[in-house]
Amino acid sequence: DTGVSQDPRHKITKRGQNVTFRCDPISEHNRLYWYRQTLGQGPEFLTYFQNEAQLEKSRLLSDRFSAERPKGSFSTLEIQRTEQGDSAMYLCASSLDSEGGHTGELFFGEGSRLTVL
Amino acid sequence: QKEVEQDPGPLSVPEGAIVSLNCTYSNSAFQYFMWYRQYSRKGPELLMYTYSSGNKEDGRFTAQVDKSSKYISLFIRDSQPSDSATYLCAINVGAAGNKLTFGGGTRVLVKP
Repeated sequence: DTGVSQDPRHKITKRGQNVTFRCDPISEHNRLYWYRQTLGQGPEFLTYFQNEAQLEKSRLLSDRFSAERPKGSFSTLEIQRTEQGDSAMYLCASSLDSEGGHTGELFFGEGSRLTVL
Repeated sequence: QKEVEQDPGPLSVPEGAIVSLNCTYSNSAFQYFMWYRQYSRKGPELLMYTYSSGNKEDGRFTAQVDKSSKYISLFIRDSQPSDSATYLCAINVGAAGNKLTFGGGTRVLVKP
C-alpha cells in the first residue's frame, strides 16, 4: 500500500499522559499536514511541513502540542499532558506541490483516534 | 461566524435520487474549491476540484461554484447506497501551501 499511513489507529490514554502519533506520507510528497477532527465536525488545520521545515502552525496548536518531520519524510505529533478535550481524530495528509503550484489535493491517512479518559 | 458553513444533515434519500449538497463561505479570497468524501472511520478522499465559477462534471458528480454569491454545490445523480458517507466542502485561498478550510460536513444516507 503506497498511501498515507498513520500509527497507532486508536490510542486510549489517561489524562495527563503523553501520546505520540506517527505519519508516513506518500514517499514522493514534499508537504505534510496535520489536522484534527472531532465528532460531527470537519477537519481543522493544525500545522504543515514543507520537507523538514514547519511552515505554519494554527492557534489551535497549544504549547502542549509539538510536531516534527526531522528528515523530511515521516512526521510525529506529540501531545503532552493530555486533556479530555484533546480527544479527537488526528489526521495526517500529504501532497506534492511545486513552487507556485498547487492542486488542493491532499491525500489523507485513515487517522489516529485519541481517547483521553 | 465560521469561514465555511455547511448543513450537517443527515440527508436521507432513496436510491436513484439526486443528492444536492451545498456550502457557503465568507472570505472572497478563497480561490480553490473542493469536495471530499469521508466514509465512517476513514480519512477524507478528494472527489472534485474546481477553480472558477461554473460547473464541472465527473461521472455522476457535478460541482458548481458561484463566486459572486460565495456558494458552492455538489450534485450526485443516480445515487447509490455506496454514496452513503459524509461530504465535506473544502476551500483554499490559493497561497503557498495547501491549507484547506473545511466545512463541518453533511452526512448522506442513500437507502436501497
